[in-house]
Amino acid sequence: NAGVTQTPKFRVLKTGQSMTLLCAQDMNHEYMYWYRQDPGMGLRLIHYSVGEGTTAKGEVPDGYNVSRLKKQNFLLGLESAAPSQTSVYFCASTPFTGGNEQFFGPGTRLTVL
Amino acid sequence: GQQVMQIPQYQHVQEGEDFTTYCNSSTTLSNIQWYKQRPGGHPVFLIQLVKSGEVKKQKRLTFQFGEAKKNSSLHITATQTTDVGTYFCAGGFDGQNFVFGPGTRLSVLP
Repeated sequence: NAGVTQTPKFRVLKTGQSMTLLCAQDMNHEYMYWYRQDPGMGLRLIHYSVGEGTTAKGEVPDGYNVSRLKKQNFLLGLESAAPSQTSVYFCASTPFTGGNEQFFGPGTRLTVL
Repeated sequence: GQQVMQIPQYQHVQEGEDFTTYCNSSTTLSNIQWYKQRPGGHPVFLIQLVKSGEVKKQKRLTFQFGEAKKNSSLHITATQTTDVGTYFCAGGFDGQNFVFGPGTRLSVLP
């Protein structure tokens, strides 16, 4: 099993450009999450999904959109990138919620110039 | 919204010394998880605590959950260079999501 994978690993964008980050898991997990990690601020939840076809906002959702068309994939979109979105993005999945280990992907390092 | 605080932000220890990081919430938690992130890596799950006053051990690591379920601690006995990394607590509030603390970065000098 590959676990949780993320594509791409690195990306540099110019302000105003758009992009999509892909998260894939092969563990048949129901729940998937997108976090951003900034120095000294831990991990902040952007959006999450409790199952195929459902998404919900997390702590810092502004400027991002998500989709979960297939159970194994969770996409994070930036429609118009801003320098404030420079961060490391982690995807995670868990079989259930409220008490299960979150399995994290390797992360995507995004720089917005 | 819910917040989870952690102290200290940084800790530098000599190899063989003990290390403790503390996690606090202003409201009662349903459960708490601990993760370790090595430099340049991703968070890796260490443990989950659910019961009030719970204590769990993993080799040199001891995890505690406070009686009021508002605080938790991670203690490492006799640190090794392999313990280097950032330790995060993640508080569970509503049974759906976890709120991560800012982390404690541990450096171990050989």
